[in-house]
Amino acid sequence: EVQLVESGGGLVQPGGSLRLSCGASGFSFSTYDMNWVRQAPGKGLEWVSSISNSGGTKHYADSVRGRFTISRDNAKNSLYLQMSSLRDDDTAIYYCVRDGFHTGFDFDDWGQGTLVAVSS
Amino acid sequence: DIQMTQSPSSLSASVGDRVTITCRASQSISTYVNWYQQKPGKAPKFLIYGASSLQSGVPSRFSGSGSGTDFTLTISSLQPEDFATYYCQQGFITPLTFGGGTYVEIK
Repeated sequence: EVQLVESGGGLVQPGGSLRLSCGASGFSFSTYDMNWVRQAPGKGLEWVSSISNSGGTKHYADSVRGRFTISRDNAKNSLYLQMSSLRDDDTAIYYCVRDGFHTGFDFDDWGQGTLVAVSS
Repeated sequence: DIQMTQSPSSLSASVGDRVTITCRASQSISTYVNWYQQKPGKAPKFLIYGASSLQSGVPSRFSGSGSGTDFTLTISSLQPEDFATYYCQQGFITPLTFGGGTYVEIK
């Protein structure tokens, strides 16, 4: 069974930094591209960033480019999101999501999410 | 960026009803559309990929169709466990984008 478990969320002041982690199990982590998707309270889904299985290719949403950095450690079956210069509108549940490789980019397995709250 | 416009934003339906949700892309994306279901307080669940292929384990009352710019998700006979919010997503090119969601509530 695929399991994705996020951690690292919490309350942070505007301008602050936070590092999210995602531990993966139940599949061959190094084979799959991975993503972060977020959801602001009461709002829809927003893709944040993706990373290829090797870590060599990364993509970012315009809203986070230059502030967030995605990375992974295949030896530790872990995905990370380093967030800096945080703003109020970064407040959201952040989901660690696997790309299922069905067709194009798709999100076939999701973690339970970790809440990031940016507030003074 | 490719915009995904979902309609309606909400609908009321009864158990047994046939429900159709529409998603329109701002440019042609072939069949690179996926659909998700989200219940309150839960992570989204993957339903359909490639516009019309059912993810393993998803009931056959769910179906998808379309290509190019216009796509639909259909629930043939709404069940109590189907009341949720549904999202389309284009998997054609980054930035990956979602529709705004359709909230399906009990009439």
